[in-house]
Amino acid sequence: GQNIDQPTEMTATEGAIVQINCTYQTSGFNGLFWYQQHAGEAPTFLSYNVLDGLEEKGRFSSFLSRSKGYSYLLLKELQMKDSASYLCAVRDSNYQLIWGAGTKLIIKP
Amino acid sequence: IAGITQAPTSQILAAGRRMTLRCTQDMRHNAMYWYRQDLGLGLRLIHYSNTAGTTGKGEVPDGYSVSRANTDDFPLTLASAVPSQTSVYFCASSEGTGGETQYFGPGTRLLVL
Repeated sequence: GQNIDQPTEMTATEGAIVQINCTYQTSGFNGLFWYQQHAGEAPTFLSYNVLDGLEEKGRFSSFLSRSKGYSYLLLKELQMKDSASYLCAVRDSNYQLIWGAGTKLIIKP
Repeated sequence: IAGITQAPTSQILAAGRRMTLRCTQDMRHNAMYWYRQDLGLGLRLIHYSNTAGTTGKGEVPDGYSVSRANTDDFPLTLASAVPSQTSVYFCASSEGTGGETQYFGPGTRLLVL
């Protein structure tokens, strides 16, 4: 079966750094996405990795290791507005997105 | 530019009733998708359409139907609602189906009693 695993919830302090991990087992791999979803709102695109390595975009970076079936999202200089759920999704061999249940990130002052 | 709009925003529905959730995009995207999101579960694909005139079944299609008469609209119909269809429904679109980013509508919160 296909499976995406993420921690259910994480807590971090304003101004700090947090790493959200995602491991996956899917039938094929055609890229990995990270989305941010604030409570009661729609998911919005953060990053896309298809090759191994680190993609940096401002305060957010995403890393991929295809051989390990592993990705992480790194958030630096945390702000209160970063409190949200972070969704990991993998595009499988049929080009369908398989979604993790999301990691709820709580930022404390 | 509105992006993707969904209607209604929320709805309470009696079991057994028929309901159509509307989705419209103005980005001229070829592909459109319907997902449901339930607490503790990831987004699950209900139906999708790679281009106008074609539709396909996702992971959880039972009890739902879709149509894609034109590029902009992708309505989702519950023929006879059941309580297990209580969920938040998101419509999404992407320019193509080859790896492009999906953009989401604001969602419809549906409660079936």
